[in-house]
Amino acid sequence: QVKLQQSGAELVKPGASVKLSCKTSGYTFSTSYMSWFKQIPGQSIEWIGMIYAGDGGTGYNQKFKGKATLTVDTSSSTAYMDLSSLTTEDSAVYFCATSFDYWGQGVMVTVSS
Amino acid sequence: DVVLTQTPSILSATIGQSVSISCRSSQSLLDSDGNTYLYWFLQRPGQSPQRLIYLVSNLGSGVPNRFSGSGSGTDFTLKISGVEAEDLGVYYCMQATHAPWTFGGGTKLELK
Repeated sequence: QVKLQQSGAELVKPGASVKLSCKTSGYTFSTSYMSWFKQIPGQSIEWIGMIYAGDGGTGYNQKFKGKATLTVDTSSSTAYMDLSSLTTEDSAVYFCATSFDYWGQGVMVTVSS
Repeated sequence: DVVLTQTPSILSATIGQSVSISCRSSQSLLDSDGNTYLYWFLQRPGQSPQRLIYLVSNLGSGVPNRFSGSGSGTDFTLKISGVEAEDLGVYYCMQATHAPWTFGGGTKLELK
């Protein structure tokens, strides 16, 4: 069956960067889209952007341009999201999802000195 | 950005009761391709969102048929015909017609 397994929780210092992973199985990754979302606990969800694994083409929410960079590795069926210049406002749970039907379990990123 | 306004923000229900959630959009969600990209999700505590409804009224795979979606243009409704205990959590509408995709503020369904 389809599985999206995200990397573990991260504790990072302000100004640092972090790379989150989303390893997939059970479907054809190389011809699919992957989206990423942000959710601050207790709040609604924001769409960060999406990437097409076939050619690496991306689309971003303008709010996250310069903050998030999406990439894929088709050899390992894994999607990645780099978050840069982290501030406390980036502390949140981040989800990957394909076709809205399948979601990763989410990863908590905490930005703190 | 498109703003989705969900009402109510909190919904108290008893088991077996039928309830509805409204999602109102600041712009029409009818796309030029003829589709309306309006979705409904349920997020149970501590879990990832689960897609319930896609394209306004289509039931997702494995979703019980007590869930139904309706609406058009800017006004949409999710109905649960007979709430069950497993339905408790936060419901979100989401639109993917206009970039950036946006979510409503959520409706928390709790037991009365």
